[in-house]
Amino acid sequence: DAGVTQSPTHLIKTRGQQVTLRCSPKSGHDTVSWYQQALGQGPQFIFQYYEEEERQRGNFPDRFSGHQFPNYSSELNVNALLLGDSALYLCASSPLANTEAFFGQGTRLTVV
Amino acid sequence: LAKTTQPISMDSYEGQEVNITCSHNNIATNDYITWYQQFPSQGPRFIIQGYKTKVTNEVASLFIPADRKSSTLSLPRVSLSDTAVYYCLVGDMRYNQGGKLIFGQGTELSVKP
Repeated sequence: DAGVTQSPTHLIKTRGQQVTLRCSPKSGHDTVSWYQQALGQGPQFIFQYYEEEERQRGNFPDRFSGHQFPNYSSELNVNALLLGDSALYLCASSPLANTEAFFGQGTRLTVV
Repeated sequence: LAKTTQPISMDSYEGQEVNITCSHNNIATNDYITWYQQFPSQGPRFIIQGYKTKVTNEVASLFIPADRKSSTLSLPRVSLSDTAVYYCLVGDMRYNQGGKLIFGQGTELSVKP
């Protein structure tokens, strides 16, 4: 049983560009959350998707948007990239009404 | 969600027991205490969760005093592979469905031979 998978693993983008990151949740999980982790910091919650809708959102600007597909996979989109968006982006999935979140390996985004 | 305070770093040696204490003075009645482990360039991994008293699994033990204003993660006989950052999280997990976890700075544990 594959765990949470994210793609790509690494990505380099230029300031002002747009990026899309992808996440496939663990089998049987219907809730997907995204986190941003800057170097030396703990992960920061971006948003959570359940039933293809954004259910909770952290303190991130509208440049950060997402989508969840009927198969529960999810995308994170970031527009107008800033140098400060450079970070490890983590996807976590969990089954309904379960408190344990399973994280993927993350996507390392570098904005130059 | 309650704010947590934990040591920035700790050092230990192989074979020792390590105890990491987390303070959460403003913990609410419905809040649970959860610990995650994170290795470099990997996502966090769930270790253990508890509400009160003591919880034990194959990896660690979690001790929570009666007032629940602090908790201690205990790692028995650590090895080099336990070198990681450990995060203490506090929150009402009933409606979170595993999401909106609030991470602090974490404790960087270094295990030496």
